[in-house]
Amino acid sequence: QVQLVQSGAEVKKPGSSVKVSCEASGGTFNDYGFSWLRQAPGQGLEWVGGIIPMFGTPTYAPKFQGRVTLTADESPTTVYMELSSLRSEDTAMYFCAREGGSGDSAYFDVWGRGTLVIVSS
Amino acid sequence: QSVLTQPPSVSGAPGQRVSISCTGSRSNIGAGFDVHWYKQLPGTAPKLLIYANTERPSGVPDRFSGSKSGTSASLAITGLQAEDEAVYYCQSYDSSLTVFWVFGGGTKVTVL
Repeated sequence: QVQLVQSGAEVKKPGSSVKVSCEASGGTFNDYGFSWLRQAPGQGLEWVGGIIPMFGTPTYAPKFQGRVTLTADESPTTVYMELSSLRSEDTAMYFCAREGGSGDSAYFDVWGRGTLVIVSS
Repeated sequence: QSVLTQPPSVSGAPGQRVSISCTGSRSNIGAGFDVHWYKQLPGTAPKLLIYANTERPSGVPDRFSGSKSGTSASLAITGLQAEDEAVYYCQSYDSSLTVFWVFGGGTKVTVL
């Protein structure tokens, strides 16, 4: 059974950085892409960025460009999201998700349980 | 403000049919990009419900169906059940290059 296991909740000060991990297990993930999405309290879903571990080149939503860095290890397949210059508006649940389909038809078919990041002074 | 527009809420009695609309524009749904749907229960991660406009992943009941036309898509739930009470999101690709993957704001389905 394919699973994505995310690291635990974080509480950070404004201006600091946070790094969240997501380890994939229960399958082969050679050419799958993985995305990070976030959901602020009571709000909808927002795509942050994505990476294909086999190739290593990330893509970022323009809103987060310059503040987010996605990296990946291949064995075991683990993806990381680091978000810097944190502000209170970054308080949210951060999900990693596997990209099914391909290209512009991609969808998110396996999700991690989420990592709560709280930014507070 | 979400790129894709969904009604905030819909409701129906058990056994009834409800439909959720997802309206986009010429840079996403109207450009022919696929629409996908997710179901989210409180405190849990979203779950893929429909992909590529009409396809159901293994294990999703055939009470759930998707359709797409022009700049809009719809999710229909027939034979509404108590466990269908959740928030539903649509998702598509956007070619405007401001962001790749866009979502609707979510629709809360209430079973009366």
